[in-house]
This record gives sequence, structure tokens and C-alpha cells, in this order.
Amino acid sequence: EAQVTQNPRYLITVTGKKLTVTCSQNMNHEYMSWYRQDPGLGLRQIYYSMNVEVTDKGDVPEGYKVSRKEKRNFPLILESPSPNQTSLYFCASRVGPGPYEQYFGPGTRLTVT
Amino acid sequence: QKEVEQNSGPLSVPEGAIASLNCTYSDRGSQSFFWYRQYSGKSPELIMSIYSNGDKEDGRFTAQLNKASQYVSLLIRDSQPSDSATYLCAVNGGRGTGTASKLTFGTGTRLQVTL
Repeated sequence: EAQVTQNPRYLITVTGKKLTVTCSQNMNHEYMSWYRQDPGLGLRQIYYSMNVEVTDKGDVPEGYKVSRKEKRNFPLILESPSPNQTSLYFCASRVGPGPYEQYFGPGTRLTVT
Repeated sequence: QKEVEQNSGPLSVPEGAIASLNCTYSDRGSQSFFWYRQYSGKSPELIMSIYSNGDKEDGRFTAQLNKASQYVSLLIRDSQPSDSATYLCAVNGGRGTGTASKLTFGTGTRLQVTL
């Protein structure tokens, strides 16, 4: 089954404790993104990657890091989480950067206390 | 001006009626347009894509695009309670603007289908 997977699905952590949210897709897509979704603000892109070793900032990159060492995986790293990073996070992928349909992972609900 | 605008709703329609959801966008060079359905706490699910002016039908859903007016809409015929969700409009940036890769989302319209 073609899908985007994320782990963990739910995470409660404390300020400053480094964490990684994994994302993997099995569709051989080149383009992957991370979004956060907050009430009233909609989906905002954090980082994106056009291919292996090619990543760039989205609209709200502060406090986040990403890496793309393999085509299928695109982890999101919070090196020192803060309460304002409490949000619902989605990984997404599509064939390429052009006018292609984008598919989302199931989401990770993160709470930073 | 927001890049992609939607009325937040809620839009309330009775079961069996037609729900009409609207979206406007600011980038005149935008090339592709998508509608996603999102249930509360779940991930967005792609339901329609449209690339050229006119109508595109898929089952009970019809997407309509008018590039001259920078307007895209989604019609849901025979609305069901299971259609109650938030509908997100997404627009892919146009060529030559440096944003060809970016998919910009509206904040969504909440639809309520009442019995």
C-alpha cells in the first residue's frame, strides 16, 4: 500500500529535550515536506526537500532541523523543543516539485511542557 | 492579502443538499489546484485536483476553476453527514515566480451536514 508513515503519533516531552519525528514514504517520491498545523493558522510548511541531500526552509523553519540521507526518509529534528512548538505535525510527499498531488502522513501530535 | 483565502465557516447544509465551498488565490500564475478533506485530528486527504479552467467531476464532487477570476470551488452533491469535515484548498505556485514547488494552503472551510 502506497503511504506516508510517521512516528511517533503522539509525544509529550519537556522543554529542551531533543526529539526526532520520523517520516517515511514508499512511493519513490522526490519531494517531501514537513508542516505544522495550528488552530486559525492552517498548514504552514516548516522545511522541504527536493531530493536526497537537498533541503530548504519553508515558512516557519526556526527551531527545527531536517535531513534527507535516503530518498524514502525525511526526519524532523527539534534539538531544543519549546512550548510554542506544541502543534500537530504532518509529513507529506509528492512525485516532484511541480504540479503533482501531495499525500500526507497520519500526523504527530506533539506537546512540549 | 492572504495567498489562498477561504471562508472559515461553518457552512451548514441539510443532508441531501449541495454544498458549495469557495477559494480565491492571489498568484495569477498558479498552475494547479487541489481540494483536501480533513476530519478533526486527522491528516488531510486529497479528494480533487484540477489544472485547467472549467469543471471536473468525480462522483459527488465537482471542482470548478476560473483562472481569470482566480477562483476555485468545490461542489458536493447529495451531502451526507460523513461529509462533515474541514475542506482545505491548496494552490501550487506558478512557473517563473520561484514558487513552482510550493503548495500553499488556505485555512479551510468547516462544513456541517445536518440531518
